[in-house]
Parts: sequence; structure tokens; C-alpha cells
Amino acid sequence: EVQLQQSGAELGKPGTSVKLSCKVSGYNIRNTYMHWVNQRPGKGLEWIGRIDPANGNTIYAEKFKSKATLTADTSSNTAYMQLSQLKSDDTAIYFCAMGPLYWGQGVMVTVSS
Amino acid sequence: DVVMTQTPVSLSVSLGGQTSISCRSSQSLVHSDGNTYLYWYLQKPGQSPQLLIYKVSNRFSGVPDRFSGSGSGTDFTLKISRVEPEDLGVYYCYQGTHYPYTFGAGTKLELK
Repeated sequence: EVQLQQSGAELGKPGTSVKLSCKVSGYNIRNTYMHWVNQRPGKGLEWIGRIDPANGNTIYAEKFKSKATLTADTSSNTAYMQLSQLKSDDTAIYFCAMGPLYWGQGVMVTVSS
Repeated sequence: DVVMTQTPVSLSVSLGGQTSISCRSSQSLVHSDGNTYLYWYLQKPGQSPQLLIYKVSNRFSGVPDRFSGSGSGTDFTLKISRVEPEDLGVYYCYQGTHYPYTFGAGTKLELK
């Protein structure tokens, strides 16, 4: 059974960074793309970007190019997303997804001083 | 970026009834490999989105046959028949053909 387990909720101060993790079990992430999606409070879904864990190649939505950094560790079968220079507008739930099929449970990131 | 226009914004349906959601893309979703990467998701409150339909018309594992997807090119439809209480939530279409991938704004399905 494929499962994606995301790290716990984060509270970050403006201007700081947070790093989210997404550990996959039941499938080797080398054989797929890992995506990240966000959802601001009460809003819809927004694609942030994806990484190919086999070679580290990344593609980002334009608005997230200087905000998000995607990495992956194939030895631990885990994908990561670092969010930098946090602003209140970054407050959202962040989901990881393996391809379009399997999603993590989401993690709430709250930016507040 | 490909704009995904979903209509209606909300739907009110009776249990056991039938309804449909439209999703139109600003450009063709046919990939150079010949596939059309159009997906439908249902998001229930407090949950992550769950995949219903992949590549326009294929039901994901465990999805009841009450759900069906159709369409081609830029025009797609999700039909739900014999609506049950567990079908309530927000439905999203999603294109995975052109980067950046994009979602529709969502359609909220409620009980009449």
C-alpha cells in the first residue's frame, strides 16, 4: 500500500524558512515525480512544482521560483520542500503528491510573528 | 499558463439525483505523447484531495461507477449519478499536460 506521511504543523516567523518533509512508503520515489501543492485558507488548490527524485530535476510554477526549493533523498524515500522568506501570505496547507494519484495528508504552515 | 475554467461554482443536488460539472481549458490538453492528462478530484472537508478520474475517463481504483468522465481537447465533463452523502465536497479538475500544472477553481457539491 502506498502511503505519504508528511511532517507536522509548522509555525514560522516572517522572514524565516521552514522545511517540510514527505516520506513515501510502498513505492520507490526514483520511479515517479513528487509534486507539491498548496491551499490557502478557504481557497482552491495551487500547484507549486515537482521534482524528479532520480536526478533532482525540478520544475516550478513561476510565482514559487524564489519561494520554494524542492529536494529529494532517495535513500530515505523522502521528498522535501523548503519555503524561504516567509510572509503571512504563505500561510496555507501544503500537500505532497506522488504523481497525480497519491497524496499526503497535508501540513499546515502558519506564518506569524 | 493553462487556465482551467470550472462551472458551476456550486451545485445543489438531491440524494439519488444526477449532476455534472464542466471544465474547460484555455488550450488543448492533448500531450505530445498522445495522452490527455486531465484529472478529477474530490476534496472533503479537512481531507486531502482524492483522485476520482484520470486521463479524462478512467476511474481510479475503488471509485464507484456512479462517477464518469468524458471530453476531449479543451472541454471536459464529470458526471455523478445516484448521488450519495459521501459525494459531498469540492470537486476540482486538474491538468497535467502543460507546465505549470493547474487546477480549476473548484465546484462545491451540496445537498438540496
